[in-house]
Amino acid sequence: DAGVIQSPRHEVTEMGQEVTLRCKPISGHNSLFWYRQTMMRGLELLIYFNNNVPIDDSGMPEDRFSAKMPNASFSTLKIQPSEPRDSAVYFCASSPPGIGNTIYFGEGSWLTVV
Amino acid sequence: QKEVEQNSGPLSVPEGAIASLNCTYSDRGSQSFFWYRQYSGKSPELIMFIYSNGDKEDGRFTAQLNKASQYVSLLIRDSQPSDSATYLCAVNDPNAGGTSYGKLTFGQGTILTVHP
Repeated sequence: DAGVIQSPRHEVTEMGQEVTLRCKPISGHNSLFWYRQTMMRGLELLIYFNNNVPIDDSGMPEDRFSAKMPNASFSTLKIQPSEPRDSAVYFCASSPPGIGNTIYFGEGSWLTVV
Repeated sequence: QKEVEQNSGPLSVPEGAIASLNCTYSDRGSQSFFWYRQYSGKSPELIMFIYSNGDKEDGRFTAQLNKASQYVSLLIRDSQPSDSATYLCAVNDPNAGGTSYGKLTFGQGTILTVHP
């Protein structure tokens, strides 16, 4: 079975540019999570969706960040405009229906903003 | 602000020894606790979860939970060099609406090195 698929795996962009990160959750999973990992702040939840609906976006740092899940098999995290402090690894994760199911992480998107 | 604190490390143990990783959490309402392992440059992978007080064993790994003390630990017996990684403690949000165990607060991680 394919795991959570993220793209791009690595991206280097200039400050001010728009960045779009993509995620395909595991088929059949109905919850999707976007996490960000930095040395300073560790691994932190940005937003999560249940059945394509955003449930909690309290971790989204500011208005420059937005996330969408137009269908059960695709989600995007967009940063516009990007800043050097956005440099991090962005992980997408998904989990199947039901209480007690754990989450599965993708390989991450390594973003560098210069 | 929910907090999860881990012993700062790094932790270095000889091969074959027991590695002990510790974690405390601030939200008394937390119900479920997770240990993830993360190799350098890789994504976190789940090792164990625990939600009842006491010990839970899986192979060389034992998770211990004490809700009264708000403390959870992970013991790795017969440590191997392949266990060298960052270990992340995570606590789920009890108010996450029952969607799953994915709304997690992570500690900063403890770097473990097992030397031959």
